[in-house]
Amino acid sequence: GAGVSQTPSNKVTEKGKYVELRCDPISGHTALYWYRQSLGQGPEFLIYFQGTGAADDSGLPNDRFFAVRPEGSVSTLKIQRTERGDSAVYLCASSWDPTDTQYFGPGTRLTVL
Amino acid sequence: QKEVEQNSGPLSVPEGAIASLNCTYSDRVSQSFFWYRQYSGKSPELIMSIYSNGDKEDGRFTAQLNKASQYVSLLIRDSQPSDSATYLCAVGGVTGGSYIPTFGRGTSLIVHP
Repeated sequence: GAGVSQTPSNKVTEKGKYVELRCDPISGHTALYWYRQSLGQGPEFLIYFQGTGAADDSGLPNDRFFAVRPEGSVSTLKIQRTERGDSAVYLCASSWDPTDTQYFGPGTRLTVL
Repeated sequence: QKEVEQNSGPLSVPEGAIASLNCTYSDRVSQSFFWYRQYSGKSPELIMSIYSNGDKEDGRFTAQLNKASQYVSLLIRDSQPSDSATYLCAVGGVTGGSYIPTFGRGTSLIVHP
């Protein structure tokens, strides 16, 4: 069956621009997580959705970051006024429920010039 | 602040040997424990999950959990060059009503022929 998909796979943008990163979870998975991974580090939690609502957004670094999941399936991570420090791989993962195994998408590599 | 500690390595073992990867965690009430493998430039993929004290075996892989010592390990028997990757330890538990896994920075494993 289809796994978690993320688009785009690579995104290069200029400092100050707005970007949207999309995640399409495994069908039926209610829990969806966004992570950010920098080189040499493990995935860092950003935000978690249970259904349509953001159950926990405590990992978002500041108010430039926002994520939605309007219909409980596809999620979009939005970053305003991008900064060079936002450059990283953004990973999405989904699971049947929060305590279950998470399945990761291939990630979006964001580069802010 | 929950912490998951792993030796970044690299851990270098000869082909056919046993590779032992270790992880300690700070939150005593953690409930679930995962080992992910991540090849360079790829997303994490689950190898093992373990929820109760003791050993869990799956093929060449054995996960060991000791909650009293807050320690989880992964043994890889008959290591192969294709096992060369970064191994991420993830620990899950409920914080403020949300289930959020915390990842270690990963241990780089090199299996040389």
